[in-house]
Amino acid sequence: QVQLVQSGPELKRPGASVRVSCRTSGYSFLTYGLSWVRQAPGQGLEWMGWISAYDGKTHYAQNFQDRVTMTTDTSTATVYMEMRTLTSDDTALYYCVRGGPGDYWGQGTQVTVAS
Amino acid sequence: DIQMTQSPSSLSASVGDRVTITCRASQGIANSLAWYQQRPGTVPSLLISAASTLHSGVPSRFRGSGSGTNFTLTITSLQPEDIATYYCQKYDSVPWTFGQGTKVGVK
Repeated sequence: QVQLVQSGPELKRPGASVRVSCRTSGYSFLTYGLSWVRQAPGQGLEWMGWISAYDGKTHYAQNFQDRVTMTTDTSTATVYMEMRTLTSDDTALYYCVRGGPGDYWGQGTQVTVAS
Repeated sequence: DIQMTQSPSSLSASVGDRVTITCRASQGIANSLAWYQQRPGTVPSLLISAASTLHSGVPSRFRGSGSGTNFTLTITSLQPEDIATYYCQKYDSVPWTFGQGTKVGVK
């Protein structure tokens, strides 16, 4: 069955960087792109960007264009999302999502930014 | 960028009621519209894609309609397990923006 398994929770200081991983299985990795979506506490869903698993092409939401980098490792069918210069506003649950529309979601990774 | 606006932001209905949520795009997106359900404390899940295609395993009481700029999610007979927040999302072109969500409660 299709699974997207994300890395564990992260606690970071303001100004630091974080990298979240999403290991996929149960389907042909190269066939689908993956998005990252975040959800701040008590808030709605925010689309951050998308990466093609086939060729690594990316599209980022304007809010994240300068701070986020998405990459893939085809040897392990894993997608990564790195965010730099974290602030408290980046405290959120981060989800990886397969395809568009998103038919499978990772379990979420809590990123907490606090001093 | 195209904006997605949902209404209402919240509603309360009785079990068995018909519930309607609307999603409006600021520009036409053909039928590239998905609906998601997020029950409290859980991961969002896909309900409907292509504006009206029910995802595998989704109960038939959920119905999607619309194209262009106006879309509707209807729950034909609200059940207790439908208590959730519902989001629309456009995916015709990036950015794949979400609506702000509609929280559905039971009276």
